[in-house]
Amino acid sequence: GEDVEQSLFLSVREGDSSVINCTYTDSSSTYLYWYKQEPGAGLQLLTYIFSNMDMKQDQRLTVLLNKKDKHLSLRIADTQTGDSAIYFCAESIRSSASKIIFGSGTRLSIRP
Amino acid sequence: DTEVTQTPKHLVMGMTNKKSLKCEQHMGHRAMYWYKQKAKKPPELMFVYSYEKLSINESVPSRFSPECPNSSLLNLHLHALQPEDSALYLCASSPHETDVNTEAFFGQGTRLTVV
Repeated sequence: GEDVEQSLFLSVREGDSSVINCTYTDSSSTYLYWYKQEPGAGLQLLTYIFSNMDMKQDQRLTVLLNKKDKHLSLRIADTQTGDSAIYFCAESIRSSASKIIFGSGTRLSIRP
Repeated sequence: DTEVTQTPKHLVMGMTNKKSLKCEQHMGHRAMYWYKQKAKKPPELMFVYSYEKLSINESVPSRFSPECPNSSLLNLHLHALQPEDSALYLCASSPHETDVNTEAFFGQGTRLTVV
């Protein structure tokens, strides 16, 4: 089946690292994504990882993929107030046609 | 140009109105998508167009009617909507649909309120 799960909230202190976790169920996933959505805005693609990789780093962002456990994480180093947003984990499923399935989103709040 | 442009940004319509949402991209992408996002929920797929043909309809009610007049444009025609259809409607595009999907670009969305 197609299911992507995330915890709903995360609060971190400014300057600390944030780690947002996600689990998915469909083993046919090809790409896994992290999207950021600020209030009232559309979705911004932050980063993605191909399903045969286990890590990808892009500036302050590190994505870890454990394919055996179907677990994906996003680490944001040196978290800033501008990182406050909802972060959606998503998977691209290649079946008869590609679909992107989103998790419920994790609301990241930054405290001073 | 890596933008997906949606118009209008906000729309208020009555239950007897007919309106259309528009989406445009000039990245040469051949797959375009409509998603619906209710408040505090993830986006839910409605329709997928591939090479200007409808390839996925996620059991969407017929009061939503998509149209892809050419490879750059995607419309969503609305008729006889209900208040519960109020949501953020997001358009997205990606290079291909049936091939591996590296990046899907999303527009800013149209915030629709049905009164």
